[in-house]
Amino acid sequence: QKEVEQDPGPLSVPEGAIVSLNCTYSNSAFQYFMWYRQYSRKGPELLMYTYSSGNKEDGRFTAQVDKSSKYISLFIRDSQPSDSATYLCAMSAERSAGKSTFGDGTTLTVKP
Amino acid sequence: DVKVTQSSRYLVKRTGEKVFLECVQDMDHENMFWYRQDPGLGLRLIYFSYDVKMKEKGDIPEGYSVSREKKERFSLILESASTNQTSMYLCASSLGGTGLEKLFFGSGTQLSVL
Repeated sequence: QKEVEQDPGPLSVPEGAIVSLNCTYSNSAFQYFMWYRQYSRKGPELLMYTYSSGNKEDGRFTAQVDKSSKYISLFIRDSQPSDSATYLCAMSAERSAGKSTFGDGTTLTVKP
Repeated sequence: DVKVTQSSRYLVKRTGEKVFLECVQDMDHENMFWYRQDPGLGLRLIYFSYDVKMKEKGDIPEGYSVSREKKERFSLILESASTNQTSMYLCASSLGGTGLEKLFFGSGTQLSVL
């Protein structure tokens, strides 16, 4: 079983919809929880990260971490066609994001 | 903006060839990483380096080696390419400090080994 499982896609939503992207994990040592966005033919870019449990909001994006359930989510409000990309969750037990364990990614398409 | 540049976007090589993938970052980052990205397997760490001439094995180092002669450049070497090394290869760098050491990725090299 993988340490990090990400909801498989693909996901297709109309413009303006609320999107929920989810990951579960098994390693209770994870402390840093990250979300990356990867456009086609590009490398991943860090969207946001959370340390330990709780919520974090950045514009239309909200990251939630529930360590008791080992479950993390990324919510996108008022989704736009420019949000169409693959979203990767990643988790690390230490400050070095380079040694994170990554999910497989969920591909999102937002239709105008 | 941090820029991580990978020398080739697409590469086609033959089985048994020695392959060099080059990565250069322009922000004086201490840490550099090589990953491969495969469908259903996510990103997997091959090798990383925290300083010039230093290297550490990641999760899947077999069949690969690395070189870091200068701080800004980190090379991945496939000593004898095999078909199971066909993959997207991503380089990343990060700067040490307080809090999460954020990763900056290059655009990737799609390697096909025939």
